[in-house]
Amino acid sequence: QVQLVQSGAEVKKPGASVKVSCKTSGYSFTTWYIHWVRQAPGQGLDWMGMVSSDSDYTTYAQRFQGRVTMTRDTTTATVYMELSSLKSEDTAVYYCARAGSGDFDYWGQGTLVTVSS
Amino acid sequence: DVVMTQSPLSLPVTLGQPASISCRSSQSLVHSDGSTYLNWFQQRPGQSPRRLFYKVSNRDSGVPDRFSGSGSGTDFTLKISRVEAEDVAFYYCLQATHWPRTFGQGTKLEIK
Repeated sequence: QVQLVQSGAEVKKPGASVKVSCKTSGYSFTTWYIHWVRQAPGQGLDWMGMVSSDSDYTTYAQRFQGRVTMTRDTTTATVYMELSSLKSEDTAVYYCARAGSGDFDYWGQGTLVTVSS
Repeated sequence: DVVMTQSPLSLPVTLGQPASISCRSSQSLVHSDGSTYLNWFQQRPGQSPRRLFYKVSNRDSGVPDRFSGSGSGTDFTLKISRVEAEDVAFYYCLQATHWPRTFGQGTKLEIK
């Protein structure tokens, strides 16, 4: 069965960077790209960007341009999302989601990133 | 960016009664390939979002048939024919026609 398993919770200081992983299984990794979505406490879903699984192609939401980098490792079927220059407003649960048929068909369990001094 | 506007944002419903959530987009969601990429998601407390419908009305596996999705162009609706206790959740629409992808603000369904 399709699974997206994310790395564990992180606590970071303002100005630091965080790298979250999303390990996929149960399907051909290079078939579908992966989205990243975040959800601040008590807030809605916010699309951050996507990374292709069969090339280096990425596209990011404008508000994260310059601070976010999404990469993939085809040998381990894992994608990564790195966010730099962290601020307290970046405290959120970060989700990966497979594009799939019709988009966003499978989601990871989420990774809580807390930014606090 | 395409703005997705949901209403209502809060929906108190009596068990067994119907519920309806509206989602409107600021631009047509008809893709150049002819399909309309509008999805609905359910997010229960403490859980990851779960897709309910893709391309407006295609129900995902395991979604009860009391849920239905409809609409076209810029105007879409999620309906629950008879609300059950397990339906308490936030519901989000998403447009997947245009980049960047954009979600609605979310609608909180609760039992009255």
